Amino acid sequence: EAEVAQSPRYKITEKSQAVAFWCDPISGHATLYWYRQILGQGPELLVQFQDESVVDDSQLPKDRFSAERLKGVDSTLKIQPAELGDSAMYLCASSVRDNQPQHFGDGTRLSIL
Amino acid sequence: GQNIDQPTEMTATEGAIVQINCTYQTSGFNGLFWYQQHAGEAPTFLSYNVLDGLEEKGRFSSFLSRSKGYSYLLLKELQMKDSASYLCAVKRGNAGNMLTFGGGTRLMVKP
Repeated sequence: EAEVAQSPRYKITEKSQAVAFWCDPISGHATLYWYRQILGQGPELLVQFQDESVVDDSQLPKDRFSAERLKGVDSTLKIQPAELGDSAMYLCASSVRDNQPQHFGDGTRLSIL
Repeated sequence: GQNIDQPTEMTATEGAIVQINCTYQTSGFNGLFWYQQHAGEAPTFLSYNVLDGLEEKGRFSSFLSRSKGYSYLLLKELQMKDSASYLCAVKRGNAGNMLTFGGGTRLMVKP
């Protein structure tokens, strides 16, 4: 089982609702990543944190998505309002530093009805 | 921009050897990762190449040619449990070392 903790494992909600995902990285990992993975495709980076600071969020749809890592440890990713096209697996990963291998959580599978 | 290409699907026989290729075009190249992902599970780290050449780790080896923008993952003595998707990911040093993933190659190992 992956050491990066994510919850919930599954989320089903209706469009226009708000959803939130939580990630607890491996202890001591300064860099945290949120990815979106559509079925049959590779993960796509949404946002990268170094400690509590955002390093890259160029691919994050900021009109509806937000991410925070207030104390530089765990992180939340929020979508409001959710759209049908947001259905995907949302993966969190962490690494000791940004040039080290990333370790992934089991992900949250989101289904928008 | 950048482009990472790998075959969508491959099939191989148990006990055989399979090579999964990955070609890339990117700026600021700073290394290439291979990950394995079983259906519905998290990607798991397999290998990392930053210099040209072959890196061997048990049944798995990974090769990199930076001048050709080319890498491959070699799996030997295939086992049924090797059926999974294999993701090639390029790290860009000029972009916060962010990873860009290819679409993945789904490998099916048959008896």
